[in-house]
Amino acid sequence: QSVLTQPPSASGTPGQRVTMSCSGSSSNIGSNAVNWYQQLPGTAPKLLIYGNNQRPSGVPDRFSGSKSGASASLAISGLQSEDEADYYCATWDDSLNGWVFGGGTKLTVL
Amino acid sequence: QVQLVESGGGVVQPGRSLRLSCAASGFTFSNFGMHWVRQAPGKGLEWVAIISYDGSNNYYADSVKGRFTISRDDSKNTLYLQMNSLRVEDTAVYYCAKALIRRASNNPPVDWGQGTLVTVSS
Repeated sequence: QSVLTQPPSASGTPGQRVTMSCSGSSSNIGSNAVNWYQQLPGTAPKLLIYGNNQRPSGVPDRFSGSKSGASASLAISGLQSEDEADYYCATWDDSLNGWVFGGGTKLTVL
Repeated sequence: QVQLVESGGGVVQPGRSLRLSCAASGFTFSNFGMHWVRQAPGKGLEWVAIISYDGSNNYYADSVKGRFTISRDDSKNTLYLQMNSLRVEDTAVYYCAKALIRRASNNPPVDWGQGTLVTVSS
């Protein structure tokens, strides 16, 4: 059972906008920045969003992040087939004194 | 560019020890905190440990606390994970990852290695 809760699956068609959620508590998302990772099949994770809504260089602006209270969301607009991957949220937890990941959301592009 | 190469994985019996290494290049290793993150077969990501850029602060997941030790040798640009009293549930691909911000405490992993597989089995 992950400290951060993510829906196990999401789907969309090419060109569509999809969002996925990450729910936590006051000790993690409620008081720390949220980061999002994309993991394509058989590869290492890649940082997509840091600091709630900042994109590292090279990440398309189709990807955006937001946070409200103890929840965060990742949005992908103009969905493409290559976006099919697992997506994880992560943040620091003040109570656990450690980093925590969500269980991941598997995105399927129909 | 940043390159992280893990090594030291393999098959080990429960209760035994293993040391993982992560050779870093393409950046000033001593300026960045480093993480270990693992992924059990078919499962999600689990953070394991972090060491600060100057080695003064280490934090561990509760699942490995007291059994695993993270360390670094800046003269060799290498990160280590000493794993003792291994359990079947420690079976996973172990990734090392560089922290995002130079000389800052506790920031997220940004660059990842390709991982090394540790299998704990009798």
